Amino acid sequence: AQKITQTQPGMFVQEKEAVTLDCTYDTSDQSYGLFWYKQPSSGEMIFLIYQGSYDEQNATEGRYSLNFQKARKSANLVISASQLGDSAMYFCAMKGPGYIPTFGRGTSLIVHP
Amino acid sequence: NAGVTQTPKFRILKIGQSMTLQCTQDMNHNYMYWYRQDPGMGLKLIYYSVGAGITDKGEVPNGYNVSRSTTEDFPLRLELAAPSQTSVYFCASSLTGGLSNQPQHFGDGTRLSIL
Repeated sequence: AQKITQTQPGMFVQEKEAVTLDCTYDTSDQSYGLFWYKQPSSGEMIFLIYQGSYDEQNATEGRYSLNFQKARKSANLVISASQLGDSAMYFCAMKGPGYIPTFGRGTSLIVHP
Repeated sequence: NAGVTQTPKFRILKIGQSMTLQCTQDMNHNYMYWYRQDPGMGLKLIYYSVGAGITDKGEVPNGYNVSRSTTEDFPLRLELAAPSQTSVYFCASSLTGGLSNQPQHFGDGTRLSIL
């Protein structure tokens, strides 16, 4: 069975600063993928970034990067130069060889001006 | 690009009523999913489908039914609505199942209240 843990229910960051959102996972699969999604207050789920378990480099997508530490089973999302529009819920998810992704409970990020 | 379309966006039901939440996607995705999102609880999988004619239960299927007669459509049926089914419902689709870098594409959600 897979499990995703997001231990930070809420985070605050000052505009233009960087913030790290934590995600740890547990799985018996040797191969898996990790995803981060953003859910603004409007409700839609937006895909941000993907990391494969065998990817040698940490994934980056614009201001988003994934700090992947396989031995520690962590896949933290780093948002650089935070913007007011980054205020949202952020969900970490993983998928193994099966059909069903597993989601964490999410972290609420508030960006202060 | 329509992507995943859910209707209705909002609905209030009385206890014991039934309704169908509609979901359609125009990306020719084989894999489709229904989730419910309760406050602070993340997403819980209700049902999923790996292709037309094939459906299977997720984590919380009780009180719901689905069908998948076409690749595009994956409706979710609530029979005998109960207050515990008050939630936000998301439909999602993905191009592939299993190991893949393909993310899920989500609809905008249906906010359902049972009173």
